[in-house]
Amino acid sequence: NAGVTQTPKFRILKIGQSMTLQCTQDMNHNYMYWYRQDPGMGLKLIYYSVGAGITDKGEVPNGYNVSRSTTEDFPLRLELAAPSQTSVYFCASSYSSGPLRNQPQHFGDGTRLSIL
Amino acid sequence: GQQLNQSPQSMFIQEGEDVSMNCTSSSIFNTWLWYKQEPGEGPVLLIALYKAGELTSNGRLTAQFGITRKDSFLNISASIPSDVGIYFCAGQPRWDSNSGYALNFGKGTSLLVTP
Repeated sequence: NAGVTQTPKFRILKIGQSMTLQCTQDMNHNYMYWYRQDPGMGLKLIYYSVGAGITDKGEVPNGYNVSRSTTEDFPLRLELAAPSQTSVYFCASSYSSGPLRNQPQHFGDGTRLSIL
Repeated sequence: GQQLNQSPQSMFIQEGEDVSMNCTSSSIFNTWLWYKQEPGEGPVLLIALYKAGELTSNGRLTAQFGITRKDSFLNISASIPSDVGIYFCAGQPRWDSNSGYALNFGKGTSLLVTP
């Protein structure tokens, strides 16, 4: 049972570099999300997707981009890394069949990113 | 997204003690979730609550969805050392086809249990 898989687990970037955080899920979930977690804080939503080809901004989208070309994959891209983007990034997915009930989100183990 | 008010921020207890933590919001939520996070891992779902007043148990854990739909609590009975971790509450607002069911999280309760 793979669930939600994130790669890499750790990464150090220099200011101005770019990188893509990978996320894939094998549960056929239609909804996917990216959160960031800063020390002592809860998770904050960066971007989300309700299905392949559809993405939308969350609470803290600046400095990030996403794409959703397939149901399984939802990569997060940092174009010009800045120290403020040092954080732990979590990808999550869930299934929704309509308004009656959305299944809870399942999380990956995170990518720990440091920008120096 | 709204930051939920979760308390206490941290707890340091002895094995065998009961634990209680709660979460409040100024907004109504349709779903309350409780997650546990251990070092180096992502949040793991403990309990999901879908109806106001709902009381749900998962082993030694019990959680309730407040009647006002603006609060929830989590109790852990007879704590053991493996209960150590950070517990997060999360509220999910009303369904909206464009909202993506994004969760609003509390800041977490850090639980330490001594043998």
